[in-house]
Amino acid sequence: DIVMTQSPDSLAVSLGERATINCKSSHSVFYSSNNKNYLAWYHQRPGQPPELLISWASTRESGVPDRFSGSGSGTDFILTINSVQAEDVGVYYCQQYYSTYTFGQGTKVEIK
Amino acid sequence: QVQLVQSGAEVKKPGASVKVSCKASGYTFTSYHMHWVRQAPGQGLEWMGVINPSGGGTSYSQKFQGRVTVTRDTSTGTVYMELSSLRSEDTAVYYCARSDLSSGWSSFDYWGQGTLITVSS
Repeated sequence: DIVMTQSPDSLAVSLGERATINCKSSHSVFYSSNNKNYLAWYHQRPGQPPELLISWASTRESGVPDRFSGSGSGTDFILTINSVQAEDVGVYYCQQYYSTYTFGQGTKVEIK
Repeated sequence: QVQLVQSGAEVKKPGASVKVSCKASGYTFTSYHMHWVRQAPGQGLEWMGVINPSGGGTSYSQKFQGRVTVTRDTSTGTVYMELSSLRSEDTAVYYCARSDLSSGWSSFDYWGQGTLITVSS
């Protein structure tokens, strides 16, 4: 199985500041045949199911604020939240869907 | 609008089985894979398996192979996940989630509300 490792495990950010979450996969999740990275990011608020933010490493879902952006390729990926808002608190997960599915352990974002 | 509505919480004894349902609406049922993901209390997300509602083909995580069965009823647009030989470590919230069939493997764009399964003697 492909192992997904996120860092940090948690971070506290002041309102309006930038948050950066890293995700590293144990195997490349890039398919050269279609030039796509099989990597998604989710946000989960307490007591709620996860919500898809970004797919294919950098494609923002409809309705997701543009302060969320994804980057990276191969084995190293980043989720950036520019100008963090109060509603952005929760846990963020990366997920690979290159070979079945695995999630990172999650990164908890809090407001400082 | 797309909705995935799951059955209610259950309490089961060790060794028993549980069957959770996920009723889909608002889209073409056979055009999206349906997955099952679980989350133990305070823990992360764990993929369990998937069904192609069109042909009924399934794929399961090796961890759950032999213990989990995912089925579907195309007449009602409902997917079922049955987990057998329950143990206390199976206490978790179980989610169904869909992904686009046309993209092959893809991300999960809609999720059910979750079903809490508690395994306790």
